[in-house]
Amino acid sequence: DAGVTQSPTHLIKTRGQQVTLRCSPKSGHDTVSWYQQALGQGPQFIFQYYEEEERQRGNFPDRFSGHQFPNYSSELNVNALLLGDSALYLCASSLEKGAPNYGYTFGSGTRLTVV
Amino acid sequence: GQSLEQPSEVTAVEGAIVQINCTYQTSGFYGLSWYQQHDGGAPTFLSYNALDGLEETGRFSSFLSRSDSYGYLLLQELQMKDSASYFCAGILTGGGNKLTFGTGTQLKVEL
Repeated sequence: DAGVTQSPTHLIKTRGQQVTLRCSPKSGHDTVSWYQQALGQGPQFIFQYYEEEERQRGNFPDRFSGHQFPNYSSELNVNALLLGDSALYLCASSLEKGAPNYGYTFGSGTRLTVV
Repeated sequence: GQSLEQPSEVTAVEGAIVQINCTYQTSGFYGLSWYQQHDGGAPTFLSYNALDGLEETGRFSSFLSRSDSYGYLLLQELQMKDSASYFCAGILTGGGNKLTFGTGTQLKVEL
């Protein structure tokens, strides 16, 4: 049973560029959340998708946007990249009816470096 | 705002017991989760406390006291593989199912 799959694993972009990160949730999960983790810090919530709609959003600018597809997979898009966007981007999936009791399954993340 | 504070680093020897504390300040709190993260890896779910008291899962136990705005993770029979970062994460009322992570504790297990 595959867990959460994220791609790519590493990415280097230039300031001002745009990036798209992808996530396939654990089989059977219907909710996808995205987190940003700076080095040495805890993950920060970006947004959550359920039934193809953004259900909640953290304190991130509109440069961060996302999408969920009918197969529950998701994309995170970041426009006009800044140096401060360099971080590990984590995708977490869960079952709407099961979280938080059964926890969230995280992917290994995409390491984004903005130069 | 919401904040969950943890000690930045804890060191213990193999076979020992260690407690990692988490204190929170938030207006509205639903429950507390714990996650383990090895360097460069995915956070892994360890436990969830919705009610006050102790939850036990093998070598790991987690405790919550809402009246004290405090929780802890207890790791017994420490093994070298337990060296990792540990995060408490709060679920807030009115906040849906999003996790608000603590500052994180780096656990080092020594021989």
